[in-house]
Amino acid sequence: GAVVSQHPSWVICKSGTSVKIECRSLDFQATTMFWYRQFPKQSLMLMATSNEGSKATYEQGVEKDKFLINHASLTLSTLTVTSAHPEDSSFYICSATRARSNNEQFFGPGTRLTVL
Amino acid sequence: DAKTTQPTSMDCAEGRAANLPCNHSTISGNEYVYWYRQIHSQGPQYIIHGLKNNETNEMASLIITEDRKSSTLILPHATLRDTAVYYCIVSETGTASKLTFGTGTRLQVTL
Repeated sequence: GAVVSQHPSWVICKSGTSVKIECRSLDFQATTMFWYRQFPKQSLMLMATSNEGSKATYEQGVEKDKFLINHASLTLSTLTVTSAHPEDSSFYICSATRARSNNEQFFGPGTRLTVL
Repeated sequence: DAKTTQPTSMDCAEGRAANLPCNHSTISGNEYVYWYRQIHSQGPQYIIHGLKNNETNEMASLIITEDRKSSTLILPHATLRDTAVYYCIVSETGTASKLTFGTGTRLQVTL
């Protein structure tokens, strides 16, 4: 149990376009979902925290107008990278927590974004 | 910033125990120690967590010092599939508590 999926697993887009990444909890209702970004050979950096039906909380330095997060249901959160540029190329990973899980975060497999 | 320090890398022979240390000298009383690992190009995987008592599950054991300023993750019989980056994280419990990932320890299990 506690499986998190992401779609797509990889995407290549042109500079200036927008890309949407989906994060789904497949067999549980997610209390909270988190979005991370990971550049090559670096650690994960938290971008934002989101709860169903409320606005996401962004970490310092993360542009909320560029990285739009929608958490429409207890099993789905989306991250839209708007007007993507090559410097946005990265590995985007989501995670989810569930009630009574002692804050164990269940991570998705990640989405590799390449902006040309 | 991460509140933990870990060695950058370690090697371990397959079948032997892998002992991964972590220092967290500024841990506060309501913070737990969590361990995750990340195999190359995958999302992190939860391993184990603890507050002050030693913990064991099917994956690993966690030994926390009495003063809680350091801990050790033990993989009792390392296999090649355990090659990964291991992250030690301190965090409050609670479903909205954030995890701050440091640089982790790159464990290489060899034949």
